[in-house]
Amino acid sequence: DTAVSQTPKYLVTQMGNDKSIKCEQNLGHDTMYWYKQDSKKFLKIMFSYNNKELIINETVPNRFSPKSPDKAHLNLHINSLELGDSAVYFCASSQGGQGREKLFFGSGTQLSVL
Amino acid sequence: ELKVEQNPLFLSMQEGKNYTIYCNYSTTSDRLYWYRQDPGKSLESLFVLLSNGAVKQEGRLMASLDTKARLSTLHITAAVHDLSATYFCAVDPWGSGYALNFGKGTSLLVTP
Repeated sequence: DTAVSQTPKYLVTQMGNDKSIKCEQNLGHDTMYWYKQDSKKFLKIMFSYNNKELIINETVPNRFSPKSPDKAHLNLHINSLELGDSAVYFCASSQGGQGREKLFFGSGTQLSVL
Repeated sequence: ELKVEQNPLFLSMQEGKNYTIYCNYSTTSDRLYWYRQDPGKSLESLFVLLSNGAVKQEGRLMASLDTKARLSTLHITAAVHDLSATYFCAVDPWGSGYALNFGKGTSLLVTP
């Protein structure tokens, strides 16, 4: 069983469209994250949720809206996609927010905006 | 803003050689993390270093943390091709445990 699963793996879309990426973890963790990795492999935190509550929103445009229906799921909806949104988006989870536990990453969603 | 700097960013080394990757960070933190990413793949946790002087080893990799110098090292012993990957260090900028700031990664290529 995949611990952190994201869908879709690839997403190709036109500018201006709205799209969603889904993430689910079956590890029983209470903290989930979205990270963005650009073409130079630079990883940046976007959001973190703890028990469905938003903890970190790292200056991400309002076009990005995370939603956590329960602590096992953290979805990412993106409105009005722009060329600069092209990247790989990783979902991750960990147990607790004390920073003592490693992150478990999903396999990533490669988003290409044309 | 917290800066996490890795050195070198690219490393080509021969099998059997030793080398060290350095990770410097700009703010106080007693926790540091190392991750590995294979091309086109996800990230895998290698080490979680939780205190000054922490040292962890797994196989040919050994990581250490000096919080006073704000420096972590990832030492590679007798490199093998399977170690070819990108290695990231990461620091918790607020000490909250809810976000990590990653370095730019060190792309390691081990050649015969």
